Amino acid sequence: EPEVTQTPSHQVTQMGQEVILRCVPISNHLYFYWYRQILGQKVEFLVSFYNNEISEKSEIFDDQFSVERPDGSNFTLKIRSTKLEDSAMYFCASRRGYNQPQHFGDGTRLSIL
Amino acid sequence: AQKITQTQPGMFVQEKEAVTLDCTYDTSDPSYGLFWYKQPSSGEMIFLIYQGSYDQQNATEGRYSLNFQKARKSANLVISASQLGDSAMYFCAMREDMNSGGYQKVTFGTGTKLQVIP
Repeated sequence: EPEVTQTPSHQVTQMGQEVILRCVPISNHLYFYWYRQILGQKVEFLVSFYNNEISEKSEIFDDQFSVERPDGSNFTLKIRSTKLEDSAMYFCASRRGYNQPQHFGDGTRLSIL
Repeated sequence: AQKITQTQPGMFVQEKEAVTLDCTYDTSDPSYGLFWYKQPSSGEMIFLIYQGSYDQQNATEGRYSLNFQKARKSANLVISASQLGDSAMYFCAMREDMNSGGYQKVTFGTGTKLQVIP
């Protein structure tokens, strides 16, 4: 069964450094999402992406964050200058169309030192 | 106000018994979808079951069933014949179709940690 894949599974980065989290959504899916889960807390929406542009973003998704779909298969989340509070599990998700469930990747655990 | 409420932070169930995980939701959107996801200790998010607001019948997927009571705005997950591998965090989530502008982000509850006892 096709699945959403995320790399790396764990990323350790110094505070202030840029980090790029990578996702390969399911190939025939059209809608893409990033979510964040701080340890012990609930999953929070960051951004949705459709038709090569951001369709919605949360207040968490400030100017330090950006997303790209550079080549039609990868979907990346960039954090420009990481802060300690960016430490979390980051989930990529995709869905095929309207009213279809979102399928999540296994997540990238980001640790900021 | 919380859109998704899971009032059970933790639950225990005996292996082979059934267990119900509670979820209530709040929306004014006439069209929405409800989901349950399982998150094992390894961290991945596994889709379990989906119920659309216009679905007439309760959703079922193997040992999982969703007890959808629209008037009460509840969407409880029932796991039958619990297995040790069911021990995990379970999240209820909702997608609102009109309020989200069509892009349908998912809002999660705080989760219920289920532990299956041998």
